[in-house]
Amino acid sequence: GQQLNQSPQSMFIQEGEDVSMNCTSSSIFNTWLWYKQDPGEGPVLLIALYKAGELTSNGRLTAQFGITRKDSFLNISASIPSDVGIYFCAGQGEGAQKLVFGQGTRLTINP
Amino acid sequence: EAQVTQNPRYLITVTGKKLTVTCSQNMNHEYMSWYRQDPGLGLRQIYYSMNVEVTDKGDVPEGYKVSRKEKRNFPLILESPSPNQTSLYFCASSPGLNEQFFGPGTRLTVL
Repeated sequence: GQQLNQSPQSMFIQEGEDVSMNCTSSSIFNTWLWYKQDPGEGPVLLIALYKAGELTSNGRLTAQFGITRKDSFLNISASIPSDVGIYFCAGQGEGAQKLVFGQGTRLTINP
Repeated sequence: EAQVTQNPRYLITVTGKKLTVTCSQNMNHEYMSWYRQDPGLGLRQIYYSMNVEVTDKGDVPEGYKVSRKEKRNFPLILESPSPNQTSLYFCASSPGLNEQFFGPGTRLTVL
């Protein structure tokens, strides 16, 4: 089945640093989504991407839908303590009736 | 308030004792889904439903059942739970396939 490889699996950064994470697949995806999960909560949608090459921002977050349609990137600028959590990418492949999720990137911020 | 609710939030049970986790959404969404989250594996889909009386298997359906008799409700049934079903479970709903809204999660422990 379709799979997403998300990296890195974990990140330890200093407050104020920028963060980059990505998601790749061996097959083409029509939609890319980025979610954040806070401890003890369900994932919350951050950004949705629907078109190859699309670049979308949500505050300090920016995500891009790769031109090849096989990858997506999420950047967080000037990280703050509330950015801590697990970030998941998700995608809908061509002809698929469901979303596939990456394994997640756990972000830890040292004050 | 638009939301997805799950009950119970926490459950400890024993092997073989049938249980049901309820899920309800108040957004009139057609698409609903159940996921399980395990460390290092991200979110894996168990079952999904594209509308009332329409359900289909996700990636890990073994040992689970679902029903969709009403649009707002999508219960997850474990007929004979086993320890390998110990996990964190999330219900999600969306107007279409994408941009899913997640519930708060149900932490299940099967002894």
